[in-house]
Amino acid sequence: GENVEQHPSTLSVQEGDSAVIKCTYSDSASNYFPWYKQELGKGPQLIIDIRSNVGEKKDQRIAVTLNKTAKHFSLHITETQPEDSAVYFCAARASQNTDKLIFGTGTRLQVFP
Amino acid sequence: DVKVTQSSRYLVKRTGEKVFLECVQDMDHENMFWYRQDPGLGLRLIYFSYDVKMKEKGDIPEGYSVSREKKERFSLILESASTNQTSMYLCASSLWSVGSTDTQYFGPGTRLTVL
Repeated sequence: GENVEQHPSTLSVQEGDSAVIKCTYSDSASNYFPWYKQELGKGPQLIIDIRSNVGEKKDQRIAVTLNKTAKHFSLHITETQPEDSAVYFCAARASQNTDKLIFGTGTRLQVFP
Repeated sequence: DVKVTQSSRYLVKRTGEKVFLECVQDMDHENMFWYRQDPGLGLRLIYFSYDVKMKEKGDIPEGYSVSREKKERFSLILESASTNQTSMYLCASSLWSVGSTDTQYFGPGTRLTVL
């Protein structure tokens, strides 16, 4: 079945540095790729998403890139701040005829002041 | 603002008990989902529903059932709780869009411990 792999599982960076989280997916028919941020004690919250008809999308300090040929997509956070510390999940739509998402296993990002 | 609420933040139950987890959304969303979240495994889909009284199995439905009698409410039922069902349970909802996938909005989660 559809599978999403996410790396790394933990990431520690100094405040101001960049952070990159990478995901690969198995189903070439997937066409929607959201990223969620989960802070302690809260449910995941969408921070950015990308659809397969674009290669890159940016929102202030956050950007997502998509390589459909290689079936991988990445989250880039620039100028990291302590409040970026959280668990980040990537996801891929299971197929074109469903609203199911397949989630990666998560990346715990720690930003040290 | 979309709001998804879950009936309990923390729940402790005993093995063999019947457990109900309730989820309510206030945005008239058609789709509702139940996930469980375990360390190192991410979010895994248990059941989802596209409409009232409709349900579909996710990736790990064994040991669970669901009920959707009203559009805004989606219940997860553990018929006979077992210790391996100790986990964080997350509910989500989304708007149904033709040919597209809309954002899933998550509740705060229920941390269930089965003793």
